[in-house]
Amino acid sequence: QVQLQESGPGLLKPSETLSLICAVSGDSVSSGRYYWNWFRQPPGKGLEWVGHIFYSGTTNVNPSLKSRVTMSLDTSKNQYSLSLSSVTAADTAVYYCARVTISNDRNDYWGPGALVTVSS
Amino acid sequence: AIQMTQSPSSLSASVGDRVTITCRASLDIRDDLGWYQQKPGKAPKLLTYSTFSLQNGVPSRFSASGSGTDFTLTISSLRPEDFATYYCLQDYDYPWTFGQGTRVEIK
Repeated sequence: QVQLQESGPGLLKPSETLSLICAVSGDSVSSGRYYWNWFRQPPGKGLEWVGHIFYSGTTNVNPSLKSRVTMSLDTSKNQYSLSLSSVTAADTAVYYCARVTISNDRNDYWGPGALVTVSS
Repeated sequence: AIQMTQSPSSLSASVGDRVTITCRASLDIRDDLGWYQQKPGKAPKLLTYSTFSLQNGVPSRFSASGSGTDFTLTISSLRPEDFATYYCLQDYDYPWTFGQGTRVEIK
């Protein structure tokens, strides 16, 4: 059974860097059949695609966040990570990770989400 | 970025009703559209992908259609567990973009 689990700081101050990890079980992040997404959802609002990373390390990032986002894969720990720098209150959201099937871009398995609050 | 306009933003319906939600893309996205269901406090759940393909385990009362710029999600007979918010997502071009969501409430 594939499972994803986000983990992160919970609370950050403005200008700090958000670091989130998505731990994957039941599958390998280095599998060539999948790639790995990040989404976010501000409280009470809609969903936003943040970006994704392929097993090769290639990334695609939402241009609205591109200058602040770094993503990476850690195959030894079977996890991938998201780093978002210079956070503001507008980055307060639940962050989700999801597995994507390469053949048809299905986001078929999601983590439960991690709430990140940015507040001074 | 491709804009996805979803309608209605909310609707009230009764158990057993037929419900249709639409999503319109600002340009042709071929069939690169999926629908997701989200319940409060939970992650989105994939319902359909590549416009009309039903994800494994999703009940057959859910169906989706469309191509190009106009897409629909239909629930043929609403069940109590279907009251949720529904989102469309285009993955035709970057950045991937969602519709603003449709909240399906109990009448």
